[in-house]
Amino acid sequence: ETGVTQSPTHLIKTRGQQVTLRCSSQSGHNTVSWYQQALGQGPQFIFQYYREEENGRGNFPPRFSGLQFPNYSSELNVNALELDDSALYLCASSLGGGRSGANVLTFGAGSRLTVL
Amino acid sequence: DQQVKQNSPSLSVQEGRISILNCDYTNSMFDYFLWYKKYPAEGPTFLISISSIKDKNEDGRFTVFLNKSAKHLSLHIVPSQPGDSAVYFCAASVMGGANNLFFGTGTRLTVIP
Repeated sequence: ETGVTQSPTHLIKTRGQQVTLRCSSQSGHNTVSWYQQALGQGPQFIFQYYREEENGRGNFPPRFSGLQFPNYSSELNVNALELDDSALYLCASSLGGGRSGANVLTFGAGSRLTVL
Repeated sequence: DQQVKQNSPSLSVQEGRISILNCDYTNSMFDYFLWYKKYPAEGPTFLISISSIKDKNEDGRFTVFLNKSAKHLSLHIVPSQPGDSAVYFCAASVMGGANNLFFGTGTRLTVIP
C-alpha cells in the first residue's frame, strides 16, 4: 500500500509569484485535504476535495485554489504569493468524502514553501 | 482564534516513566478527538482517537482520556520509550461535519534514555 506522496519537497518563490503543489493520495482513498503549517503552529485546514469538487474550506482567501483529478490526486495552487504564505503544506488523504467526520487522515511529508 | 490549545511546548521524560500530554479545547461542538505524532521530515501519523461518547480509549501503551465538562483531553504514554520522542498534535473535529481537523500547536516530547 503506497502512502501519500507530495512534490516538490522544497521550493523557493518570490512575492507575487504563483505556485502549484502536487499530491498523490494513498491507494484506495478518494478524498484529499490540504493543510498549511506555519512555523511553530499546528496544521490549519485549507480545503478538502471529494469527487473532484471542493467539499469544505477553511479561512483562506480565494487565491488558494485546488483541483482533484479522476485518479484522486490533487493540486494546490496559490496565486500572488505573500511572505506569510511561507509554510509547510501538508496533503492528507482519507476515504468517504469527509461527511462522516471520523475518518482518520493519512498525511504526506509536506512541501516546504519559502516566499522571499 | 485557537480552538484547540496545547499549552506545553515541550516535555522531557525518563525512559520507562509515564508521559502525559495535555490538550484543551473551546468549541463545545467538537465530538471527535485525535492525537497525531510527527517525526522530523515526515508527515503527522495517526496515533489514537476518542469520540465524545467515551471518556477513555486505550491502545497498547497509549491511552487518551477525555473530560468533556472541562473541555480537556490528555494522552498518557506508559512506559515511555526513546522512539516516542516526537512532536504530538492534538486535533478535534465535528462528526458529520466536513471532516476538517482543528489542530493544537503541538508538544515536543523527549524521552531520555
